[in-house]
Amino acid sequence: NAGVTQTPKFRVLKTGQSMTLLCAQDMNHEYMYWYRQDPGMGLRLIHYSVGEGTTAKGEVPDGYNVSRLKKQNFLLGLESAAPSQTSVYFCASSYGNLAKNIQYFGAGTRLSVL
Amino acid sequence: LAKTTQPISMDSYEGQEVNITCSHNNIATNDYITWYQQFPSQGPRFIIQGYKTKVTNEVASLFIPADRKSSTLSLPRVSLSDTAVYYCLVGDPKAAGNKLTFGGGTRVLVKP
Repeated sequence: NAGVTQTPKFRVLKTGQSMTLLCAQDMNHEYMYWYRQDPGMGLRLIHYSVGEGTTAKGEVPDGYNVSRLKKQNFLLGLESAAPSQTSVYFCASSYGNLAKNIQYFGAGTRLSVL
Repeated sequence: LAKTTQPISMDSYEGQEVNITCSHNNIATNDYITWYQQFPSQGPRFIIQGYKTKVTNEVASLFIPADRKSSTLSLPRVSLSDTAVYYCLVGDPKAAGNKLTFGGGTRVLVKP
């Protein structure tokens, strides 16, 4: 049972480059989330999705785009990477508001933008 | 989401009980209290959730007083592997998006 899988695990980008982070979950969860975590800080919500084909902005959405074309996948895109986007990115999923707000997290993607 | 306040760090020794108190003075009627644990280089992991009184599972206990303005996570007989950051979150599980707001957490260091 894989749970939430994130790819890649590590990535180094140059300023201005683009990339897509992939999150896949095999728990048939309705809700999916993307967070970023900077050193010594808690997680901040970037975007989230409450179902296939829907997305919404979180606390820090600027510079990122997302897509949820399939229920099991949630993609996070950086169109033009900036050094301020150097961070660890976590994906999470949950059953949705039928359950008690429990999110399941992936192992994270460590991104460095030079 | 209700704002939470918890200690930045705590030290303990193997075999001791660790209690982390979280303040959430403006908790709303529909809010639940949830704790997550995060090991270095890993994503957070759900530990326990409660609404009032006491909740216990195989990992921890959660104590919530009647006024619900604070809560205490209790980790019995900690081991070195319990060294982690512990986050207290408060929110309505039926709110749109089930969004979570993470504070800075409490960094627990268990010493031999």
